[in-house]
Order: sequence, then structure tokens, then C-alpha cells
Amino acid sequence: GENVEQHPSTLSVQEGDSAVIKCTYSDSASNYFPWYKQELGKRPQLIIDIRSNVGEKKDQRIAVTLNKTAKHFSLHITETQPEDSAVYFCAASSPSGSARQLTFGSGTQLTVLP
Amino acid sequence: EAQVTQNPRYLITVTGKKLTVTCSQNMNHEYMSWYRQDPGLGLRQIYYSMNVEVTDKGDVPEGYKVSRKEKRNFPLILESPSPNQTSLYFCASSPWTGQSNQPQHFGDGTRLSIL
Repeated sequence: GENVEQHPSTLSVQEGDSAVIKCTYSDSASNYFPWYKQELGKRPQLIIDIRSNVGEKKDQRIAVTLNKTAKHFSLHITETQPEDSAVYFCAASSPSGSARQLTFGSGTQLTVLP
Repeated sequence: EAQVTQNPRYLITVTGKKLTVTCSQNMNHEYMSWYRQDPGLGLRQIYYSMNVEVTDKGDVPEGYKVSRKEKRNFPLILESPSPNQTSLYFCASSPWTGQSNQPQHFGDGTRLSIL
């Protein structure tokens, strides 16, 4: 099955700086890569996603890049703000056979220091 | 309001006492899934369903059962709960286009403690 590794597990940045979180996946057939943000005590919420036919996607201060050859994708947050502090999860969807699983990384605790 | 509703939100129970966590969505989504969240392990998929009467095992199905008799409901059943099933559980749903996953909507979570 799919295996997703996420780094770093914790990340602290100064307000206004950029933050980058990286994930690698194992199944070259995976074709959907969402990123979720989970605030303390809350549900995970989708912040951005990318499909395998696209190399980069941006939404205001958030961007995701995908390198299919190297099987890795990254989340970039620019001009970080204290409200960006949360746990971020990457995930990969493997469409192998009849399976439609979504495999998550272990999460990154992002802290934005004022 | 579009939502995924889980019940109960919190439950403390004892080893071996059967329990069911309900999940209901009002978005007419085909795909539904259960995850457990444990510190340092992220979200791990327990079971998922691509439509009524179609269910498949995720990465950690042992000790759990599910059913999908109606499109809107996807209950998680623990026939004989054990302490290692103490965790935070999330139900999620999404449309299914037949080709790849779509963004998933998560419920608020159920915190389960098995003593």
C-alpha cells in the first residue's frame, strides 16, 4: 500500500517568514494530494490540494508543488501569521485496483511566533 | 448546512462492551471513511465505503466493523473494545467521481476511552 512520510514533525517560524513542509509518497500511481490544517481540538480542514497532472497550485499565501518523478510534494506558506499555527497533514490517494484509500502523513506542528 | 455529524462526541466505556459510533452526512456523498488519530501517527484509515453496500478495509481495520445500508450513514462498530482502541475517531465524506478522490469533509470527532 501507499506510504507517506512528512517532515519536519515540528516547525517554528517568526511571523512574516515563510514555512515549508515536505512529504514523500511511495506509490507512483497516486494521483491526488490534499493538505489539511487541524487547529487544536478541531476537525481537519482542507486548505489546498493538487492532482498529478499539475506541478504547482497557489491560493493566496499558500502554494503546493508536486514532483512526480521524485515522488514528493511540498506545502509553502508565505507571510505567516499567528493564526497559521496548527498541525498540518499531507495525504496521498492511491487508485490502485479497486482501492480508493487516502493515506496521511504523521503531521507537522507549525508554530508562528509573534 | 452541509455537514458530517458524529455521535457521541465523547465516550468512556469498559473493555468488551460493544459500542457503535454513528456518522451521518447530508451532502449526498458517495464516499465515506473512518479514521483514527493517535499522537505522532497522524490519521490512519480504518474502513471506507464507495457507495451503499460497498465497504473496504483501510490500513488498520482489526477490531472494527462498518456497514453502509444507506447512503447518508456509515456507523463504526466495536464489537469487543480493547484499551488499544482508545483514540480520537473521525468520520469523513466526499463525492466520488469514479476516477480519483475528492476533498473530504470531516466530522467533529469522537474521543473514545476504553478502560
